[in-house]
Amino acid sequence: QSVLTQPPSVSAAPGQRVTISCSGSNSNIGKSSVSWYQQLPGRAPKLLIYEGTVRPSGIPDRFSGSMSGTSATLDITGLQTGDEADYYCGTWDNSLNAGVFGGGTKVTVL
Amino acid sequence: QITLKESGPTLVKPTQTLTLTCTFSGFSLSTSGVGVGWIRQPPGKALEWLAIIYWDDDKRFSPSLKSRLTITKDTSKNQVDLTMADMDPVDTATYYCAHSVEGATGVPLDFWGHGTLVTVSS
Repeated sequence: QSVLTQPPSVSAAPGQRVTISCSGSNSNIGKSSVSWYQQLPGRAPKLLIYEGTVRPSGIPDRFSGSMSGTSATLDITGLQTGDEADYYCGTWDNSLNAGVFGGGTKVTVL
Repeated sequence: QITLKESGPTLVKPTQTLTLTCTFSGFSLSTSGVGVGWIRQPPGKALEWLAIIYWDDDKRFSPSLKSRLTITKDTSKNQVDLTMADMDPVDTATYYCAHSVEGATGVPLDFWGHGTLVTVSS
């Protein structure tokens, strides 16, 4: 059981948009910023978004993040077949005094 | 260019102690704000955060594993070691080390090693 809650899967056709939610609590998302990671099959996770909305260098602006209260959202627009992957949210939990991840969301391009 | 690489045994027996080494380049763990974390992922399952060590030797651990984990750094060798005691088959996973973004809230991890698969079996 993950501390952060994500939907197990989302899907959309190429060119469309998907939204992935990440729900937490006042001890984690309510107090700290969320990061999003993309994990392609057989690969290490890759940082897509940090501090809720910031894209590291080289990440396309098709990926965007937002935060509100104890939840965060990752939007992927202009969906491509190469976006098929597992996506994880993560943050710091002030009560656990440790990092936490969501259970992951599998994105399927139809 | 920041790179990290995990090394250690691929197979351990139940009750044994696992020691993994993260060897990195492109940054120094003596620089203010720098941290290196460990994360694992059982086959087909989600990421699990394990521990992190900072430039000032501050250490944080997953509460569920804290009693079994040790994390140390060797700044001169650019290495971080993670030790996990009393290994069990449920600890079978790919273990990753990663660099934390300096000064960012939420401890984001921007550079990851490729990971090393550790199997626990007799």
